[in-house]
Amino acid sequence: GQNIDQPTEMTATEGAIVQINCTYQTSGFNGLFWYQQHAGEAPTFLSYNVLDGLEEKGRFSSFLSRSKGYSYLLLKELQMKDSASYLCAVRDSNYQLIWGAGTKLIIKP
Amino acid sequence: IAGITQAPTSQILAAGRRMTLRCTQDMRHNAMYWYRQDLGLGLRLIHYSNTAGTTGKGEVPDGYSVSRANTDDFPLTLASAVPSQTSVYFCASSTGTGDTDTQYFGPGTRLTVL
Repeated sequence: GQNIDQPTEMTATEGAIVQINCTYQTSGFNGLFWYQQHAGEAPTFLSYNVLDGLEEKGRFSSFLSRSKGYSYLLLKELQMKDSASYLCAVRDSNYQLIWGAGTKLIIKP
Repeated sequence: IAGITQAPTSQILAAGRRMTLRCTQDMRHNAMYWYRQDLGLGLRLIHYSNTAGTTGKGEVPDGYSVSRANTDDFPLTLASAVPSQTSVYFCASSTGTGDTDTQYFGPGTRLTVL
């Protein structure tokens, strides 16, 4: 079966750095997405990786290793507004997105 | 309208009733999707449409139907609601082309079936 694993919850301190990991086993791979979802709101797109390596976008970076079935989202200079759930999704061989359950990130002052 | 809208925002429904969730996008996206989101689970695809006039089944299609009469609208119908369909429903759309083909989500409909 297809599976996306992420930690259920993480806690970090304002101003610090946090890394959210995602491992996947899917039928085919056509890209990996990270979305942010604030409580009670819709998911919003953060990043996309299809090749191995690091993609940097401001305070957020995303890394992919296809051979290891592994990605991480790195958030720097954490702000209170970064408190949200972070969703990892892989596009499979049918070009459908398979979603992880999400990682709830709690930021403490 | 800017982006994707969904209606209603929330609904409480008696089991056995018929319900249609509405979704409209103004981005001229070819592809549209319906997901449900339940606590502790990832988003699960119910139905999708790659272009107007075509639809396909996702991971959890049973008990739901969709239609895509035009580019903008993609309604989801529950023919006879059951309590297990209590969930938050998100509609999404994408261009349907290109490497990234990012999906953009509507604000969601919170549905409770009693």
